[in-house]
Amino acid sequence: EVQLVESGGGLVQPGRSLRLSCTASGFTFGDYAMSWVRQAPGKGLEWVGFIRSKAYGGTTEYAASVKGRFTISRDDSKSIAYLQMNSLKTEDTAVYYCTSCRDGYSYAFDIWGQGTMVTVSS
Amino acid sequence: NFMLTQPHSVSESPGKTVTISCTRSSGSIASNYVQWYQQRPGSSPTTVIYEDNQRPSGVPDRFSGSIDSSSNSASLTISGLKTEDEADYYCQSYDSSNHGGVFGGGTKLTVL
Repeated sequence: EVQLVESGGGLVQPGRSLRLSCTASGFTFGDYAMSWVRQAPGKGLEWVGFIRSKAYGGTTEYAASVKGRFTISRDDSKSIAYLQMNSLKTEDTAVYYCTSCRDGYSYAFDIWGQGTMVTVSS
Repeated sequence: NFMLTQPHSVSESPGKTVTISCTRSSGSIASNYVQWYQQRPGSSPTTVIYEDNQRPSGVPDRFSGSIDSSSNSASLTISGLKTEDEADYYCQSYDSSNHGGVFGGGTKLTVL
């Protein structure tokens, strides 16, 4: 079964850091780009960032709202994608979803995880 | 940069057909593929249409997607509506000017 499972969410104070993990199973993780999408309480979906597969350089892209604070990486040997979040702000409070993409470079999101809640509050 | 604009809500009766629009604010809708995602209450999103009009395996053929260059918009059409189709629907595309993903604001579909 193709599956994505996020972990690492929780309550964190403003200015602190948190790392989310997305563990994949059921497909050849290294062949696909991965993306992170978030959803603030009661709001719509917001794209956070993206990492291409190694075959397409493994490069990353970020939304303006998180650029310079968030970093996406991947460990293809473990089938895990990471979202390192630094200098967290209250407006980063959201459910964070990881998604696999349909190939190594496109932004066509395919499989979605169940999400992990991040609450930034003092 | 561009925005994708969707109606806030639509409603229709079971068995009927509904169409949800997604209008691109600048640049051609045909420039980059459009995807559609369904999010039922309390659940994570799932993909119902990718690359404008392709259905993932397991998505019923009651769901179809299209683009219209004259109105610069994409559309998701759901025929033979079922109560289980009641959900939020989001369109999404790629902004090649900044290598970013773009989501529409979402449309709440009520089947009553």
